[in-house]
Amino acid sequence: RKEVEQDPGPFNVPEGATVAFNCTYSNSASQSFFWYRQDCRKEPKLLMSVYSSGNEDGRFTAQLNRASQYISLLIRDSKLSDSATYLCVVKGAGSARQLTFGSGTQLTVLP
Amino acid sequence: GAGVSQTPSNKVTEKGKYVELRCDPISGHTALYWYRQSLGQGPEFLIYFQGTGAADDSGLPNDRFFAVRPEGSVSTLKIQRTERGDSAVYLCASSSTGANSGANVLTFGAGSRLTVL
Repeated sequence: RKEVEQDPGPFNVPEGATVAFNCTYSNSASQSFFWYRQDCRKEPKLLMSVYSSGNEDGRFTAQLNRASQYISLLIRDSKLSDSATYLCVVKGAGSARQLTFGSGTQLTVLP
Repeated sequence: GAGVSQTPSNKVTEKGKYVELRCDPISGHTALYWYRQSLGQGPEFLIYFQGTGAADDSGLPNDRFFAVRPEGSVSTLKIQRTERGDSAVYLCASSSTGANSGANVLTFGAGSRLTVL
């Protein structure tokens, strides 16, 4: 089983739609959680951190469920510029403190 | 510098050759990471430096891979006797805080695309 699993998609949605991505992680001792965004043939960039209480940044809402080891990202009112791959990222605990990336979920927002 | 700089941006080599990939992190960032990304996959951790020392090299796939950071700034990833399976984008990232910090946000370079023929 992979440490971080995501639905690879692709998700093709019309402009203005709401879309949700899910992610599960295997290490219950994981400490920190993030969503990164990666445009085609570009480097990953931090989109937002994910906090236990849930957090929002404009049109983006991230949720964490530690009991189910589940992370989500909700994008409201999708824009063409949201088209990218969204990477779920988990930071390990103890000696395994590095960031572990999921394979990513590809989103295409259509006009 | 303003961002993480990686050279070369593209490298094509033949199986069995030696390759060096260079990373120049953001000025003042003490933590430096190397990741490898294959097509359709997320970045895979290779090695992490805190200052000059390799704090965690558990992701290096085998002894053909080696990385150094002699002065705590620029790092070089070295691959000996390259194989076709080494073809990937090699990403370098730096952070102002170490891996022990819960808030370590990584800034990635644009990557070095390695193709082994």
